[in-house]
Amino acid sequence: DVKVTQSSRYLVKRTGEKVFLECVQDMDHENMFWYRQDPGLGLRLIYFSYDVKMKEKGDIPEGYSVSREKKERFSLILESASTNQTSMYLCASSPTGRGDTQYFGPGTRLTVL
Amino acid sequence: KNEVEQSPQNLTAQEGEFITINCSYSVGISALHWLQQHPGGGIVSLFMLSSGKKKHGRLIATINIQEKHSSLHITASHPRDSAVYICAAIQGAQKLVFGQGTRLTINP
Repeated sequence: DVKVTQSSRYLVKRTGEKVFLECVQDMDHENMFWYRQDPGLGLRLIYFSYDVKMKEKGDIPEGYSVSREKKERFSLILESASTNQTSMYLCASSPTGRGDTQYFGPGTRLTVL
Repeated sequence: KNEVEQSPQNLTAQEGEFITINCSYSVGISALHWLQQHPGGGIVSLFMLSSGKKKHGRLIATINIQEKHSSLHITASHPRDSAVYICAAIQGAQKLVFGQGTRLTINP
């Protein structure tokens, strides 16, 4: 079974803090994605990566950066957390293109106070 | 107007009822995903289809490319089917556009 894990299920941070969200997949997938999910807005793509050290902006990259130093790990970084970044963050991976089946992690619910 | 629209947004039904969730999209797509999200957040991919119909157990997904419409059906619904169902349109090889989701509650 494909397994995508995220470092935390729940996280509470203060405004201005630097926040790291980690995602690890164990199926040697090339592609990894970070989404945020908000009520009424659905899932929105923040960044994706199609190879180690490669990244592309999604629909809402402002305020975020990413790092992919190893194939299995994709990190989302909030350089200076703000209250409008309170959200559910979901990581996913897929073996080929974005059109292929994506496997999702359990999500991290981040609250920024 | 969202590029991918789902209806209804919320659906409550009794156990055993036949369920239909609709997804309409306004853009050209290469395929469409149906996803299921249980309370707690985990998302599972149910189907990916580009034409016709797919069936898996009690779940059936259909798509009409000309009408830009897809439906997800659940036969003999059960309380464990309670979840949020999300359709996602795939544009070309790169862009995934999500609907807002349909919250389904099946009462015993």
